[in-house]
Amino acid sequence: SQQGEEDPQALSIQEGENATMNCSYKTSINNLQWYRQNSGRGLVHLILIRSNEREKHSGRLRVTLDTSKKSSSLLITASRAADTASYFCATRSSASKIIFGSGTRLSIRP
Amino acid sequence: DVKVTQSSRYLVKRTGEKVFLECVQDMDHENMFWYRQDPGLGLRLIYFSYDVKMKEKGDIPEGYSVSREKKERFSLILESASTNQTSMYLCASRGQYSNQPQHFGDGTRLSIL
Repeated sequence: SQQGEEDPQALSIQEGENATMNCSYKTSINNLQWYRQNSGRGLVHLILIRSNEREKHSGRLRVTLDTSKKSSSLLITASRAADTASYFCATRSSASKIIFGSGTRLSIRP
Repeated sequence: DVKVTQSSRYLVKRTGEKVFLECVQDMDHENMFWYRQDPGLGLRLIYFSYDVKMKEKGDIPEGYSVSREKKERFSLILESASTNQTSMYLCASRGQYSNQPQHFGDGTRLSIL
């Protein structure tokens, strides 16, 4: 089974609203990363949070990490049409490998 | 900006063919990766390489091999293509340190008929 599991699998919101996606994982991690994938394209790195950090911001993105619950959330504020994409969490527990979840498909309605 | 280039966006091959997928990165990255992406399964690691001529199996290496003769190029080989290898294949590279992000190519959508 996947180390990281995103929830929900799909999310549709109105432009301007906030979008929240969650990621749960099973084993101890060194860090957790979020990536975005536009349709038909590769993944683009958004943000990395280390296991000793609880919250991190980057522009309209806010990521939280709760290692006691083995979960993370990605918040996108004031969503735009261009935010329509799939979002993946990826967890690193060993030096070379990271494990990706199956993703959340986010749709922003105009 | 890092650029990871995959040689083909779309590829159609027949069962039993030997298939080569090529990936080139321009940032002198030590680490390179091959994933396949299937609906509902996310990305699964096939093979990765941490140096020239070095390779390690990922989670689903069966039916695949890889080659890294030069630092910038990492090739994925389907020895004898089968229909269950129809998928999106993504190549990625990463610098020396494990807390650095992976940089992805745009993928090759491979269909095996």
